[in-house]
Amino acid sequence: GQQVMQIPQYQHVQEGEDFTTYCNSSTTLSNIQWYKQRPGGHPVFLIQLVKSGEVKKQKRLTFQFGEAKKNSSLHITATQTTDVGTYFCAGQNQGGKLIFGQGTELSVKP
Amino acid sequence: KAGVTQTPRYLIKTRGQQVTLSCSPISGHRSVSWYQQTPGQGLQFLFEYFSETQRNKGNFPGRFSGRQFSNSRSEMNVSTLELGDSALYLCASTRDSSTGELFFGEGSRLTVL
Repeated sequence: GQQVMQIPQYQHVQEGEDFTTYCNSSTTLSNIQWYKQRPGGHPVFLIQLVKSGEVKKQKRLTFQFGEAKKNSSLHITATQTTDVGTYFCAGQNQGGKLIFGQGTELSVKP
Repeated sequence: KAGVTQTPRYLIKTRGQQVTLSCSPISGHRSVSWYQQTPGQGLQFLFEYFSETQRNKGNFPGRFSGRQFSNSRSEMNVSTLELGDSALYLCASTRDSSTGELFFGEGSRLTVL
């Protein structure tokens, strides 16, 4: 079945360093969403990308959707302690099912 | 407006028992999805309901079932509990399709002893 692979599983950075997490799907996606889950919390929607090659920015966060609509990335510039949490990508297939990646757990050392 | 509400928040069961979890979506939302979250497996899709009909189903055994009521509230049931069913069960709602932003509840944390 369809899989969405996300790497790395963990990332430890020093505050101020950049951070990137990558998602790859085994099949072409109709769209991809990104969520953030703070420790002890629930996933919260960040953004949705729909178009091939789309790039969206939210302050220090940059989201990209690949040309083939099979991969995506989230890049955080100059991480802050408030960025701590697990970042999930979720790819939606043609049948409408939303498949989550395993998540990347980000820890930020002040 | 009120968010997605899940009950109970925590529960402990023993192997072989069954459990029912409840989810009240955001007012006006008609699509409800259920996910199982475990440390090793991430978020695994269970099923999605829209207007009382199951629209999508994940790869879980028949012990996992769900339903949706006319007021969009949803329940999921797990019968013959196994130790491996211990997890955080998350419910998420969207307005009228499964292609938009998911609004998650706080989850129901199930421990099976």
